[in-house]
Amino acid sequence: GNSVTQMEGPVTLSEEAFLTINCTYTATGYPSLFWYVQYPGEGLQLLLKATKADDKGSNKGFEATYRKETTSFHLEKGSVQVSDSAVYFCALSRLSGGSYIPTFGRGTSLIVHP
Amino acid sequence: NAGVTQTPKFQVLKTGQSMTLQCAQDMNHEYMSWYRQDPGMGLRLIHYSVGAGITDQGEVPNGYNVSRSTTEDFPLRLLSAAPSQTSVYFCASSSLEGGYTFGSGTRLTVV
Repeated sequence: GNSVTQMEGPVTLSEEAFLTINCTYTATGYPSLFWYVQYPGEGLQLLLKATKADDKGSNKGFEATYRKETTSFHLEKGSVQVSDSAVYFCALSRLSGGSYIPTFGRGTSLIVHP
Repeated sequence: NAGVTQTPKFQVLKTGQSMTLQCAQDMNHEYMSWYRQDPGMGLRLIHYSVGAGITDQGEVPNGYNVSRSTTEDFPLRLLSAAPSQTSVYFCASSSLEGGYTFGSGTRLTVV
């Protein structure tokens, strides 16, 4: 079956540091890949997505590249801010049996200190 | 843009009570899902629907019922609340190919 594995958190960084959150997946075929962000007390928000191999999704300074050869979709940001503190979820979605249901990773908490 | 609207935001139930969590979306999405989020467990799929009149079970369906009489609405019913159902519940909707849009959640406590 489909699965998503994320690095365990929390990830603690100082402001302006470089961020990488690792995500690898297992799936048959060609899934679409997503990153979601959840701020405290809120629901998940779609951050970025990529629908085919070598695509790069980007938004708000975050980016991730769909790497089929390594089955990875790592999230990166060059310079984090305190306001980026949140939980980040990697997910894949693949059409199967008429359903398009995503599989989520367990989430990685990011804490950014001033 | 309302997106996905969930009500109520907070609820306290006594063991054995029943209630319905409401979810409505105004984006004409075919796919809708209910998840629960518990510390250290990530998101777990309860039930989902691929269109009006069609529902199916997810990973943790026991103790919950759903129906999908319209494209817009996807209520989740707790039949007889138990303390193990204390959680944060999220409704989400999606168009084909697109990412999910989540509601802001319902925080449920069963005492």
